[in-house]
Amino acid sequence: AQSVTQLDSQVPVFEEAPVELRCNYSSSVSVYLFWYVQYPNQGLQLLLKYLSGSTLVKGINGFEAEFNKSQTSFHLRKPSVHISDTAEYFCAVRPGRGGSEKLVFGKGTKLTVNP
Amino acid sequence: GAGVSQSPSNKVTEKGKDVELRCDPISGHTALYWYRQSLGQGLEFLIYFQGNSAPDKSGLPSDRFSAERTGGSVSTLTIQRTQQEDSAVYLCASSNRVIHGYTFGSGTRLTVV
Repeated sequence: AQSVTQLDSQVPVFEEAPVELRCNYSSSVSVYLFWYVQYPNQGLQLLLKYLSGSTLVKGINGFEAEFNKSQTSFHLRKPSVHISDTAEYFCAVRPGRGGSEKLVFGKGTKLTVNP
Repeated sequence: GAGVSQSPSNKVTEKGKDVELRCDPISGHTALYWYRQSLGQGLEFLIYFQGNSAPDKSGLPSDRFSAERTGGSVSTLTIQRTQQEDSAVYLCASSNRVIHGYTFGSGTRLTVV
């Protein structure tokens, strides 16, 4: 079975500062990894995903994440955040090719961007 | 439709009553999922339908919870004899084997009073 740990429940940052939201996973098989964003009072939206190939994945809104197999991590980064990035971010994992399509989610990280 | 549609968006019910939550997935998506989101608890998996296969019900918290998917499309999540701890946002998502990622609906916020 897979599990996901998001190490920070809340991350406050100032506008235009860089940010990293941490995600570690546990799995005995190869995995697919995802980051979702949930803006206030909205559903979840896919930010980016890692399936295979390049370990650096670029997503929407200037976010990127790097898959590190040896450290079982998939941290999300943005070099310069905006007020509009204030939201909750969820990391998720599922077994890779041929595995169950069921996603296991972390508990989320609330990013607050202050002026 | 263009997205995953859930109804109602909000539901307030009295403790002990039954409720039905509806999800209309994206046309052509073979997989449908229900999750529950409680404050500070992240997303809790409830049930997963894939095509004509038997659903994965491993996340249903008790036998008061059930779900069905008719004709491989619309799904209904039923909670019988609701309890206050059932209060949460219930999220539905759908996917296909190509995109390898879910499209979520906006959720149903259930409040049991």
